[in-house]
Amino acid sequence: QKEVEQNSGPLSVPEGAIASLNCTYSDRGSQSFFWYRQYSGKSPELIMFIYSNGDKEDGRFTAQLNKASQYVSLLIRDSQPSDSATYLCAVENTDKLIFGTGTRLQVFP
Amino acid sequence: SAVISQKPSRDICQRGTSLTIQCQVDSQVTMMFWYRQQPGQSLTLIATANQGSEATYESGFVIDKFPISRPNLTFSTLTVSNMSPEDSSIYLCSVELRSYEQYFGPGTRLTVT
Repeated sequence: QKEVEQNSGPLSVPEGAIASLNCTYSDRGSQSFFWYRQYSGKSPELIMFIYSNGDKEDGRFTAQLNKASQYVSLLIRDSQPSDSATYLCAVENTDKLIFGTGTRLQVFP
Repeated sequence: SAVISQKPSRDICQRGTSLTIQCQVDSQVTMMFWYRQQPGQSLTLIATANQGSEATYESGFVIDKFPISRPNLTFSTLTVSNMSPEDSSIYLCSVELRSYEQYFGPGTRLTVT
């Protein structure tokens, strides 16, 4: 069973702090990794993707990948209340994406 | 990204009936996908729809229950047949624009009574 695991949360952080969201996956053959943000009542929105080991930065977001440990993370710097949402990790496997159950992030003022 | 629309945005249907959901994208794409998301749950892939070939269904989903059409590179439909209350869910289409990068439509919220 190919799996993607996330802590469901909620993860509560104060405004301005760094939010760290984590994801592990079971299939060592996976090569592409994605983070989606989903606001309540809305569809998922792709915010980051990463293919190589290491860090990838885009604005306040940094994705980190460690294929040896089968671990992907998303860091959100200077968290804002508008970042409050569910963050879904998705892992490519045989031409489709396997989604985790998502981590709910709450950023409080 | 792309502009993806779905119709209807929501519907309330009686058990035993069928509903066809439409997905339209503003550019030509090879791969389209249909997902289901139940309240508080993650996304479950129903099937992959490539233009010019039969849809590929995931385990637990069958063509008789969820027939899919893909007549061209910008359009697809998903039909939920012989509905029961267990089919109440949000149905999402997505398109793959670049290698494995998927973008989602706004979803169709279905309630079966």
